[in-house]
Amino acid sequence: DVKVTQSSRYLVKRTGEKVFLECVQDMDHENMFWYRQDPGLGLRLIYFSYDVKMKEKGDIPEGYSVSREKKERFSLILESASTNQTSMYLCASSLAPTYEQYFGPGTRLTVT
Amino acid sequence: DQQVKQNSPSLSVQEGRISILNCDYTNSMFDYFLWYKKYPAEGPTFLISISSIKDKNEDGRFTVFLNKSAKHLSLHIVPSQPGDSAVYFCAAHNAGNMLTFGGGTRLMVKP
Repeated sequence: DVKVTQSSRYLVKRTGEKVFLECVQDMDHENMFWYRQDPGLGLRLIYFSYDVKMKEKGDIPEGYSVSREKKERFSLILESASTNQTSMYLCASSLAPTYEQYFGPGTRLTVT
Repeated sequence: DQQVKQNSPSLSVQEGRISILNCDYTNSMFDYFLWYKKYPAEGPTFLISISSIKDKNEDGRFTVFLNKSAKHLSLHIVPSQPGDSAVYFCAAHNAGNMLTFGGGTRLMVKP
């Protein structure tokens, strides 16, 4: 079974803080993704990576950056957290060239 | 502009009856469609998919129908069970291993 784990289930940060969200997958998948989920808006892609050190912007990359130094790990960074980044963050991975993505349990981030 | 839309934010169905969840899309280049189910405090899990060259795919109680001319797909659950209560997302693949998701529909199956 594919397992995607995220470092925290719940996180509370203050405005202006730098925030790191970590994601690890154990199935040697090439592709990894970061989404945010907001009510009524579904899942929106922030960034994705198709290989180590490679990254591509998704639909809403502003205010975020990512890092992929190892194949199994994909980090999302909020350089200076803002209240409008309060959301559920979901990490996913997939095995190229299949389309099915496997998701982690999510991190609910609250920025106050 | 949302390329994948689920116009019903919620749906309530009696146990044992059919649940029909709908999804519309605008991009004719989408070549593969997926449905995901999400329980609270969990990540989405893959449910069923369909290629754009097909019009129906069935897996147990779940059937997905694709109408390319109408740019519409639907997920049928028969019979519905209380454990099916969750948020359902449709997703569409275009290019580059990316998926575009709809806004989700919350299904409530009443015992």
